Amino acid sequence: AQRVTQPEKLLSVFKGAPVELKCNYSYSGSPELFWYVQYSRQRLQLLLRHISRESIKGFTADLNKGETSFHLKKPFAQEEDSAMYYCALRVSNFGNEKLTFGTGTRLTIIP
Amino acid sequence: EPEVTQTPSHQVTQMGQEVILRCVPISNHLYFYWYRQILGQKVEFLVSFYNNEISEKSEIFDDQFSVERPDGSNFTLKIRSTKLEDSAMYFCASSSAFFGQGTRLTVV
Repeated sequence: AQRVTQPEKLLSVFKGAPVELKCNYSYSGSPELFWYVQYSRQRLQLLLRHISRESIKGFTADLNKGETSFHLKKPFAQEEDSAMYYCALRVSNFGNEKLTFGTGTRLTIIP
Repeated sequence: EPEVTQTPSHQVTQMGQEVILRCVPISNHLYFYWYRQILGQKVEFLVSFYNNEISEKSEIFDDQFSVERPDGSNFTLKIRSTKLEDSAMYFCASSSAFFGQGTRLTVV
């Protein structure tokens, strides 16, 4: 069975400092990895997916299959980055795209 | 941008009562999902729905739960006889990219 681990429940970073939110996964096949963000009182939003290799809001994440990791990074934190961040793994099965989530990391940017 | 809409935003119910949570997914999507998040815990998959049938369900999705899409628009999650431990945020999703804002269910 697949599993996603986010070791940090809480992370506080000063504004302007680099951010790294850790995510590790376990799955025997080739998964798809995602990062979701949830701002205060808002819905879960898709932030990044590994297959698109994009940078959204300054965030990037690289899939490291050797370390089974998909850490989320941003070089310079901004106050508006404060939110809950969830790493998720998707195993596609004939179109069924069920997600397995990590427990989430609450990121707080200190002004 | 298309949006998934859930109603109500908050539902309080007595233990043993039936509740129906409603979702309007994105119309041209094919797969729909329900997830739940108990306070302080992770988001957990409940069920996926395709072509008017359950495609996959988790261990959590026992006989007390059911889903249907009665009118081709609304996608509902019914809990037949609620328990205290059903208290959680329930999220509807339309593909992996679109989540509803959630319904907070409180069972008292």
